[in-house]
Amino acid sequence: GQQLNQSPQSMFIQEGEDVSMNCTSSSIFNTWLWYKQDPGEGPVLLIALYKAGELTSNGRLTAQFGITRKDSFLNISASIPSDVGIYFCAGQRMNRDDKIIFGKGTRLHILP
Amino acid sequence: DVKVTQSSRYLVKRTGEKVFLECVQDMDHENMFWYRQDPGLGLRLIYFSYDVKMKEKGDIPEGYSVSREKKERFSLILESASTNQTSMYLCASSPQGAGVSQFFGPGTRLTVL
Repeated sequence: GQQLNQSPQSMFIQEGEDVSMNCTSSSIFNTWLWYKQDPGEGPVLLIALYKAGELTSNGRLTAQFGITRKDSFLNISASIPSDVGIYFCAGQRMNRDDKIIFGKGTRLHILP
Repeated sequence: DVKVTQSSRYLVKRTGEKVFLECVQDMDHENMFWYRQDPGLGLRLIYFSYDVKMKEKGDIPEGYSVSREKKERFSLILESASTNQTSMYLCASSPQGAGVSQFFGPGTRLTVL
């Protein structure tokens, strides 16, 4: 099945730095979702985006639905140790069923 | 508070055994999904269900079957477990309709020896 291209695959940053990751697709999506997965747990929804151009924040997290409907990005400002984990983007295509396509994830490591 | 629970967090089985993974959601969601997660491969959809007694194959259904006898419960069955089915299995549910989010359970880490 189709997958989203999520980058980077992993990141090593210093505590306090800002983080940026993105997802792209060759298909148009009508919904973009960003999840975070802590070690040994299931993914937890962070932000949902429903409109092209939409910019949504959740605390230190900000995500945008790209104008072309083919991409999305997630920013984390002033990273803290508990931000460590795997971040997944996910999208639902136009006029499709309720299935969601997931990116392969960005693993975030924070150095003290 | 929405909740998706999975019957086991960790499971160890032997090759050839029949394995049942259970998932229960308390949100009255119509849709339920089973994924497996492997390093470098992300989440891959095994099977999903839109309603009771209804099932659809996902991207990697081979070696698996599912059962949805009640709305709140979705079971994943490995008829004869093999070592390449060692993985993290995640269950999710969502309400029906476009543009909806899926809620995940904590996962079951299955090891097949």
